[in-house]
Amino acid sequence: EDQVTQSPEALRLQEGESSSLNCSYTVSGLRGLFWYRQDPGKGPEFLFTLYSAGEEKEKERLKATLTKKESFLHITAPKPEDSATYLCAVRRSDTGRRALTFGSGTRLQVQP
Amino acid sequence: EPEVTQTPSHQVTQMGQEVILRCVPISNHLYFYWYRQILGQKVEFLVSFYNNEISEKSEIFDDQFSVERPDGSNFTLKIRSTKLEDSAMYFCASNGAYEQYFGPGTRLTVT
Repeated sequence: EDQVTQSPEALRLQEGESSSLNCSYTVSGLRGLFWYRQDPGKGPEFLFTLYSAGEEKEKERLKATLTKKESFLHITAPKPEDSATYLCAVRRSDTGRRALTFGSGTRLQVQP
Repeated sequence: EPEVTQTPSHQVTQMGQEVILRCVPISNHLYFYWYRQILGQKVEFLVSFYNNEISEKSEIFDDQFSVERPDGSNFTLKIRSTKLEDSAMYFCASNGAYEQYFGPGTRLTVT
């Protein structure tokens, strides 16, 4: 069974204080690892897809990295508008399987 | 920018009633999905749909659930006889390649 574990559950940062969120996964053949942002009462908003160990993707203050067992979402000099829950999800490589398995998320609060 | 839309945003229904949740996926996408998120819990996969048939479903997606693409734009989730435990946010998603794009969700409250 695919498993995705995110840590920490919650993180409070001061504006400008950089940090990293962790996503550990167990999947029998990784087809892709996905990061989403979710604001309260809203749907997940796509951020990044990572396909293979060593891959990195960047978008504004966010950078996602991938190893064979985990992914990190690095947040550099965060702003209050980065406050949200960040979700990690994996897709298995089995033919015909497209379901995403999500972690519980990291709830990030950035204080001004 | 194209986006997935869902209606209604909030649906309140009584236990045992049928509900239909509606979604309009992104127009050139071929794969469609329903997920749900019970308050405070993980986003969970329900079903995927491709070429007018279910391609994958989870254990949650039992006989009480059904999906349909009634026309060229809409994608629906029907819950035949709602239970209290069906109360959740229901998200529709679609994709053309790998990334799944999610709609804003329908909050279903079963009383």
